[in-house]
Amino acid sequence: DAKTTQPTSMDCAEGRAANLPCNHSTISGNEYVYWYRQIHSQGPQYIIHGLKNNETNEMASLIITEDRKSSTLILPHATLRDTAVYYCIADVEGSSNTGKLIFGQGTTLQVKP
Amino acid sequence: NAGVTQTPKFQVLKTGQSMTLQCAQDMNHEYMSWYRQDPGMGLRLIHYSVGAGITDQGEVPNGYNVSRSTTEDFPLRLLSAAPSQTSVYFCASSYIGRAGRQFFGPGTRLTVL
Repeated sequence: DAKTTQPTSMDCAEGRAANLPCNHSTISGNEYVYWYRQIHSQGPQYIIHGLKNNETNEMASLIITEDRKSSTLILPHATLRDTAVYYCIADVEGSSNTGKLIFGQGTTLQVKP
Repeated sequence: NAGVTQTPKFQVLKTGQSMTLQCAQDMNHEYMSWYRQDPGMGLRLIHYSVGAGITDQGEVPNGYNVSRSTTEDFPLRLLSAAPSQTSVYFCASSYIGRAGRQFFGPGTRLTVL
């Protein structure tokens, strides 16, 4: 599984877009980029994932660079409830994935009023 | 759907005691797993299962046993509790072909004195 690196912490003003970067320079061609978040004391929550193309859902957008060595999770209008630790994970999809997600330290996002 | 449920929410044990942490899911997911999260740390995989009757070890399996007799349930047994096992334990599940997208339970906070 590819190793990912993220900044330890970030701040964002409420109502502004939060852009969380992730580097995965050793990602393999069949590895997806997954994002999870963990709000204090709760279980992690899946946000979004992608392979090559940019993805958007009701929670966030995921921008993956053309060389796939980095990606950015975008929360378009951050609220105080988005304060959490955000994890970027690179792993394969499909039956070859045994589900052993490797959670690093993640980025602590603090949304401020 | 209740999703992934875990019991108990909190537990205090004395060194040497044994106990079972319960995990159940009602989504008919093939894949289930147990993680532990120590204070200020990311999640580490303890054991996982890709279906009833099939289990395997994760990163930190020592001191824990699991079994998977049904699709719904995946209990985690602490054989002889030690203070080093003080942690928050999360159970997760997913479809086997979508193991990157896991649903997590609310966690069990365990303290071993």
